[in-house]
Amino acid sequence: DTEVTQTPKHLVMGMTNKKSLKCEQHMGHRAMYWYKQKAKKPPELMFVYSYEKLSINESVPSRFSPECPNSSLLNLHLHALQPEDSALYLCASSQAAVGETQYFGPGTRLLVL
Amino acid sequence: AQSVTQPDIHITVSEGASLELRCNYSYGATPYLFWYVQSPGQGLQLLLKYFSGDTLVQGIKGFEAEFKRSQSSFNLRKPSVHWSDAAEYFCAVGAAGSARQLTFGSGTQLTVLP
Repeated sequence: DTEVTQTPKHLVMGMTNKKSLKCEQHMGHRAMYWYKQKAKKPPELMFVYSYEKLSINESVPSRFSPECPNSSLLNLHLHALQPEDSALYLCASSQAAVGETQYFGPGTRLLVL
Repeated sequence: AQSVTQPDIHITVSEGASLELRCNYSYGATPYLFWYVQSPGQGLQLLLKYFSGDTLVQGIKGFEAEFKRSQSSFNLRKPSVHWSDAAEYFCAVGAAGSARQLTFGSGTQLTVLP
């Protein structure tokens, strides 16, 4: 099974709201990722967790707060977002080794009003 | 740092025709190379990958790609395109030292005419 699940599929939030995106995988992968993808653009890496520890933060604003509660779950907490944060947020996972394939979830389509 | 170039923003082919999507990479050592496909509003699905060994790689859905070190290329091919192949295609490279960081090309949008 190479499935990564993400919830919710769609999310609309105001600039003062707090919401969370959830990602789950049961492939035994120990690396998990958050990407942001704007329309007609490639995914941009936001965060990487390796063995439940944050290993890469690509200078993402603090209104995005990642959390990895266990090896199967990855959350992205959202607070005080801006309209320009509207995008498709993709989660991926892989084995925590060099060159391993990243498997992507279907994404959460976020609209910030 | 590695980089990826996909020279073709948009390609249109007729159903049943052959397809080649171009990908050029820049990296000092042997890279890890991937092709992903993305349907509208969906996540990315891995088509194939190259790490080492045979330079002609077979993937899912009848796709193949050939790694050419001399040309720094990893072009994706399919002998006969189906209407369901219409999607966005991304080439990506991972470096040996930090292969968890994938660098994506800008993508090629494929349109398939009936």
